[in-house]
Amino acid sequence: EIVLTQSPGTLSLSPGERATLSCRASQSVPRNYLDWYQQKPGQAPRLLIYDASGRATGIPDRFSGNGSGTDFTLTISRLEPEDFAVYYCLQCATSPLTFGGGTRVDIK
Amino acid sequence: EVQLVESGGGLVQPGGSLRLSCVVSGFSNSWVNWVRQAPGKGLEWVANINQDGSEENYSDSLRGRFTISRDNAKNSVFLGLNRLRVDDTAIYYCASGGGWTLENWGQGTQVTVS
Repeated sequence: EIVLTQSPGTLSLSPGERATLSCRASQSVPRNYLDWYQQKPGQAPRLLIYDASGRATGIPDRFSGNGSGTDFTLTISRLEPEDFAVYYCLQCATSPLTFGGGTRVDIK
Repeated sequence: EVQLVESGGGLVQPGGSLRLSCVVSGFSNSWVNWVRQAPGKGLEWVANINQDGSEENYSDSLRGRFTISRDNAKNSVFLGLNRLRVDDTAIYYCASGGGWTLENWGQGTQVTVS
């Protein structure tokens, strides 16, 4: 099983600032099948980034994904008020699929 | 546009069973997954099933108690939950997309074991 570790646990930032979220895998993620999801309170998760760097349909270009192998990053270039949420990475390359523990981005 | 609607959740006693349903509109050639989220906790992948139901995958910790199945004639995927425990209390989501990416999600159904 591939274990994903997200850091930091919480990121306190102001609107307009840049957010950098990390997801580290216990072993290389085949084909870089690493996704990022956003979840707001009371809502289902929403796909942001697939295959490490592909932006999902309708996702603003301030969201970008990077990385390969065991180290992946989600960057939000300039935080908008609606971006304050919890973010999860997911490896969908091998079964069992595994999520990271999440990073909460809250307003400073 | 693919839409997923879950149902079948509820309150059940420890040791009991439930069967969750997920109706998928725009039901085509997609794997369908179940993901759960305990109160105040993160996301946990539960299981998935391929397009014709011939292949299933499970979380190691849930294999043997949970069973995924599908009925393409009814555009539905099911999750059977057996020998339920208090720590199975969660919102259960179904999700699908290209490959194993979870592009489309339902709104979730609440399972409470108490």
